[in-house]
Amino acid sequence: GNSVTQMEGPVTLSEEAFLTINCTYTATGYPSLFWYVQYPGEGLQLLLKATKADDKGSNKGFEATYRKETTSFHLEKGSVQVSDSAVYFCALSDKDTGRRALTFGSGTRLQVQP
Amino acid sequence: EADIYQTPRYLVIGTGKKITLECSQTMGHDKMYWYQQDPGMELHLIHYSYGVNSTEKGDLSSESTVSRIRTEHFPLTLESARPSHTSQYLCASRGSYNEQFFGPGTRLTVL
Repeated sequence: GNSVTQMEGPVTLSEEAFLTINCTYTATGYPSLFWYVQYPGEGLQLLLKATKADDKGSNKGFEATYRKETTSFHLEKGSVQVSDSAVYFCALSDKDTGRRALTFGSGTRLQVQP
Repeated sequence: EADIYQTPRYLVIGTGKKITLECSQTMGHDKMYWYQQDPGMELHLIHYSYGVNSTEKGDLSSESTVSRIRTEHFPLTLESARPSHTSQYLCASRGSYNEQFFGPGTRLTVL
């Protein structure tokens, strides 16, 4: 079955540091890949997506590239801010089943200190 | 900006009560989903719907039930709440590129 593995947190960084959150996946076929962000007390917000190999998703300074050869979709940001503190989820959507549900990683909590 | 709503945002109730968590979306999406998020943050699919009058159970066994009488509305019901049902419940609908749009969630506490 499908699965998503992402690095455990919490990740603690100083403001303006470089961020990488690793995500690897196992899936049949060619899934779509996503990063979601969850702020305290809120639902999940779509941060970025990539639908095929070598696609780069980007939004709000965050980037992730769909790497089929390494089955990875690592999230990066060049300079984090305190407002980026949240939980980040990597997810995939299976294209080969009718329900098209998301399979999530376990989430990585990011704490950015001023 | 996705338009998907959940009410209530927070609910504290006693054991044995019947509750309904509301979810509605204004995007005309056919596919909708309910996820349960445990305190460790992991999300598990508990119900999904392909469209009106179509519902299926998800990967995580749940004592809740759902209905889909209208495209925009996907409520979740617990006939008799128990402390083990305490969790965060997230509703979502699927867009054109397999992305899902989430509501703000309902945090349920059963005493």
